Amino acid sequence: GENVEQHPSTLSVQEGDSAVIKCTYSDSASNYFPWYKQELGKRPQLIIDIRSNVGEKKDQRIAVTLNKTAKHFSLHITETQPEDSAVYFCAASGFGAGGTSYGKLTFGQGTILTVHP
Amino acid sequence: DADVTQTPRNRITKTGKRIMLECSQTKGHDRMYWYRQDPGLGLRLIYYSFDVKDINKGEISDGYSVSRQAQAKFSLSLESAIPNQTALYFCATSGRGSEKLFFGSGTQLSVL
Repeated sequence: GENVEQHPSTLSVQEGDSAVIKCTYSDSASNYFPWYKQELGKRPQLIIDIRSNVGEKKDQRIAVTLNKTAKHFSLHITETQPEDSAVYFCAASGFGAGGTSYGKLTFGQGTILTVHP
Repeated sequence: DADVTQTPRNRITKTGKRIMLECSQTKGHDRMYWYRQDPGLGLRLIYYSFDVKDINKGEISDGYSVSRQAQAKFSLSLESAIPNQTALYFCATSGRGSEKLFFGSGTQLSVL
């Protein structure tokens, strides 16, 4: 099955700095890579995702890049703010024959991001 | 707003007891999932169901069972709870053809 490794486990930055979280995956058939954000005491929520037919996707201050050859993908947060402090999870899943989604995600171990004012 | 609801929010129980965690959703989604969250281990899939008659084991199903009572309801049971099942449990849903997961608010389970 799929295995997703996420680094670092903790990340501390100053407000305004950039933050980068990296993930690697093992199954070359995986082609969907979402990122979830979990604020303290809250449920995880999707913040951005990317499919394997593109190399980069941006949404305001966040971006995700994908390197299929190396089987790794990264989350980039620019101009960090205290409200970006949370646990971030990467994940991977794949499609079956005919485009049917496998429909289940394998998550990384999570990164605790702390943004200091 | 359509939502995913888990009950109870918190539960403390003793080793050997049978426990049921319940999940209901008003999103009209076909697919439902149970994950557990442990510090440093991320979210791990216990069971998933793509419709009422479809139940599948995830990566850590030992010691757990599930029941899909209706499209909107998916319950998780611990037949004989043990301390290493202490964790935060999340139910999640997704619509057919979409990988986006919508999580419930979670159930914190402590097994003493």
